[in-house]
Amino acid sequence: DAGVIQSPRHEVTEMGQEVTLRCKPISGHDYLFWYRQTMMRGLELLIYFNNNVPIDDSGMPEDRFSAKMPNASFSTLKIQPSEPRDSAVYFCASRDERGSTDTQYFGPGTRLTVL
Amino acid sequence: DQQVKQNSPSLSVQEGRISILNCDYTNSMFDYFLWYKKYPAEGPTFLISISSIKDKNEDGRFTVFLNKSAKHLSLHIVPSQPGDSAVYFCAASWPGGAQKLVFGQGTRLTINP
Repeated sequence: DAGVIQSPRHEVTEMGQEVTLRCKPISGHDYLFWYRQTMMRGLELLIYFNNNVPIDDSGMPEDRFSAKMPNASFSTLKIQPSEPRDSAVYFCASRDERGSTDTQYFGPGTRLTVL
Repeated sequence: DQQVKQNSPSLSVQEGRISILNCDYTNSMFDYFLWYKKYPAEGPTFLISISSIKDKNEDGRFTVFLNKSAKHLSLHIVPSQPGDSAVYFCAASWPGGAQKLVFGQGTRLTINP
């Protein structure tokens, strides 16, 4: 299995622009998570899905952030409009509900820089 | 409100010695704890975990200890190797937490030759 795939790996954009991050979870996994990593706050959960349905979006910073999961193999995280404080590394992770532990499998991340 | 805290942002250890990474938590409902390891430009990878019904779990050079009364867990790496240099994240989950993990801020471990 290729693991969790994220694209792009790096994104540089200007303030006010729309940014779309993409994620392909591990095939067969029921859960998909979006995280943001910053120096100050570490890894923060933004939103997660179960069987393509958003379950908890309480970590989404504000209305500028939105996430979708149109099918079991694809999810997007969109920021519109982007701001410099959104600069961070964004990770996607997936998990198999049938697994014996709470282990989540992470993608390589997207490093976002908003100028 | 940081429910999981790693108070040491960095730690430097000599190769061959023991590395001890610490993690404190505030939520007594947490019943499962994990350690993740992260190399630069990669996502975190699962390292080792422990259930609250245990106080120790070993996997090769890695041992996690849990002290529920102190709400504290630690990761021991013996002996430390240069390839262990990475950022280590502590994470916790709870029953009814609907699969959510709460992560600490991470500790950067550097193993010196």
